[in-house]
Amino acid sequence: DAGVTQSPTHLIKTRGQQVTLRCSPISGHKSVSWYQQVLGQGPQFIFQYYEKEERGRGNFPDRFSARQFPNYSSELNVNALLLGDSALYLCASLQGIEAFFGQGTRLTVV
Amino acid sequence: QKEVEQDPGPLSVPEGAIVSLNCTYSNSAFQYFMWYRQYSRKGPELLMYTYSSGNKEDGRFTAQVDKSSKYISLFIRDSQPSDSATYLCAMSATGFQKLVFGTGTRLLVSP
Repeated sequence: DAGVTQSPTHLIKTRGQQVTLRCSPISGHKSVSWYQQVLGQGPQFIFQYYEKEERGRGNFPDRFSARQFPNYSSELNVNALLLGDSALYLCASLQGIEAFFGQGTRLTVV
Repeated sequence: QKEVEQDPGPLSVPEGAIVSLNCTYSNSAFQYFMWYRQYSRKGPELLMYTYSSGNKEDGRFTAQVDKSSKYISLFIRDSQPSDSATYLCAMSATGFQKLVFGTGTRLLVSP
């Protein structure tokens, strides 16, 4: 039984570039959330999607966007990358109150 | 002031010790309280969650919530070196909304 899968696992981008991160939730789960975890900090909520609709948005600039597809997979897009966007980006597959996290995508902006 | 405060540690204990990890919070709307364990370079893993006040036990782990004090705890009995990880508390106002995390406490259990 596959858990939450995220791709890619690691990514290096240059300032000003755009990046797309991908997430496949656990089979049967219809909701995903995205979190940003900066080194030494706890994860910070970015977005939540349920049945392809945005259900919540954290305090992140408009450079961050996301979407959910009919198969419940999701993409997180970040435009005009800044050095401060370097972090571990986590996708969570939600079932009720329980959130199951993937391994994350480690993004480094240089 | 952060909504959730957690001592970053590190907390170093010998194998077999009882470990106490704690978080305080300021938002009285929080009703769901979770504890996650995160190993280095991995995603957080849900250990247990509680709703409202009270205690919950699962094996060597016990979670306590005191809403009157806005204080939650996780106790680990008979700690093992494999328990060495970062422990994150997280909270939610409803069962289907964003989680607000603490910074995490790094725990080191020495053999």
